[in-house]
Amino acid sequence: DSGVTQTPKHLITATGQRVTLRCSPRSGDLSVYWYQQSLDQGLQFLIQYYNGEERAKGNILERFSAQQFPDLHSELNLSSLELGDSALYFCASSGTGGDRYTQYFGPGTRLTVL
Amino acid sequence: AQSVTQLGSHVSVSEGALVLLRCNYSSSVPPYLFWYVQYPNQGLQLLLKYTTGATLVKGINGFEAEFKKSETSFHLTKPSAHMSDAAEYFCAVRSKSNFGNEKLTFGTGTRLTIIP
Repeated sequence: DSGVTQTPKHLITATGQRVTLRCSPRSGDLSVYWYQQSLDQGLQFLIQYYNGEERAKGNILERFSAQQFPDLHSELNLSSLELGDSALYFCASSGTGGDRYTQYFGPGTRLTVL
Repeated sequence: AQSVTQLGSHVSVSEGALVLLRCNYSSSVPPYLFWYVQYPNQGLQLLLKYTTGATLVKGINGFEAEFKKSETSFHLTKPSAHMSDAAEYFCAVRSKSNFGNEKLTFGTGTRLTIIP
């Protein structure tokens, strides 16, 4: 168990809908990262937050947005969903100090868009 | 820009045989290096990492990897494969710079099958 939690584990929805994925980082970790894993694109970095502020953006679509709250949990919002958004979405967190370079991953949320 | 190449999307070894999974990176400055394992329907678990110090690093479940700067490689090995090692393995790199460059760049993964 990495200490990173994600809910829900599975999500099935229809095209055009909006969903919210939730992530709680390890206790004390300030950075949260979101990744998408799909068969055609592999594991791709989406976005990073550090202590409530956006720090880096990757291959994140404009239909997607994220935020990190004062209690450090993060949410990834996916809107106007398309079939191609079906994927496994991972959250990871990293801390400070000597282990700050390591990202610990949650179990993921599997999104299926029908 | 950094990139990671994992040679062999599928590797099969017999139980008890040596496991060798290859990873090469491309980066202007040697990055931090990681191996993660993903079991079916599960998340990514850290196997081992190289950030500084000794270039031969040991991880969980008997795996180890050696950072070779001259070869830009970080191959993963295990002397004797076990049935429980069947999984997908990902090599990843992270820039040594901070402030917006902390993302992981992953290889395409190697699916390891163990033959009884």
